[in-house]
Amino acid sequence: EADIYQTPRYLVIGTGKKITLECSQTMGHDKMYWYQQDPGMELHLIHYSYGVNSTEKGDLSSESTVSRIRTEHFPLTLESARPSHTSQYLCASSVASAANYGYTFGSGTRLTVV
Amino acid sequence: GENVEQHPSTLSVQEGDSAVIKCTYSDSASNYFPWYKQELGKRPQLIIDIRSNVGEKKDQRIAVTLNKTAKHFSLHITETQPEDSAVYFCAASISTGGFKTIFGAGTRLFVKA
Repeated sequence: EADIYQTPRYLVIGTGKKITLECSQTMGHDKMYWYQQDPGMELHLIHYSYGVNSTEKGDLSSESTVSRIRTEHFPLTLESARPSHTSQYLCASSVASAANYGYTFGSGTRLTVV
Repeated sequence: GENVEQHPSTLSVQEGDSAVIKCTYSDSASNYFPWYKQELGKRPQLIIDIRSNVGEKKDQRIAVTLNKTAKHFSLHITETQPEDSAVYFCAASISTGGFKTIFGAGTRLFVKA
C-alpha cells in the first residue's frame, strides 16, 4: 500500500549519541518534510526537501541534518542527542498539483533522550 | 512573516452540538487551505480542504468556509460525536516557488457524550 513509513516508532537513547530517524514514502511524492511535535501540540517545521539533492532548513532551529539522495528516502540525523531533543518527529510528503496539495504524514518517531 | 492564527485553542461541546474552529492568515498569496485531524497517539490526517476560488465546501458533517477578503477560514462540524474528539490543525499554503504551508497552533476538541 502506498504510504509513508517511519522507523523506529519509539527510541530511547543516551545523551551524546548519534541517531538517524528513517522516513520512506512509496507514493512518488517530490516534496518531503520533517516536523517536530510535542504530542497534540504545534507542528514545527525543521527541514524540507523539494526533490533529490534539495534540502532546506525550516523555521525551528535544530541541530539535525537531512539528506535526499533518493526520491523516496528522507532520513533525519542528530549528531549528538540532548534531552532537549526529546519530542515526536513527524515526516510528511506531498505532491504539488492542481488537484491536491495536501500532506500525508507518517506515524512518527517518539524520541526520548536520557 | 507569514502567520496562521487558530482559535480557540480548546473547545468542549456536548455530543450532537456543532463545533466551529476559526483561522486567519496573513499572506494574501495563500491559495490552498487544508484541515488536518490528529487523534490521540496518531498521525495528522487531511480531512477536508478548500481552494481560494471556492467559498464553501462540504463533506457530510464537516464543512469549510473561506473569506478571502477578510483572510479567514473556518471548519464547521455538525452533529458532533465522541469520535470527533481530536486536535484539529488548519493550514494555509502558497503555491509559488515550490510551495510553503503554514500551520495553525491547533484546536483540541472534546466532545462529551
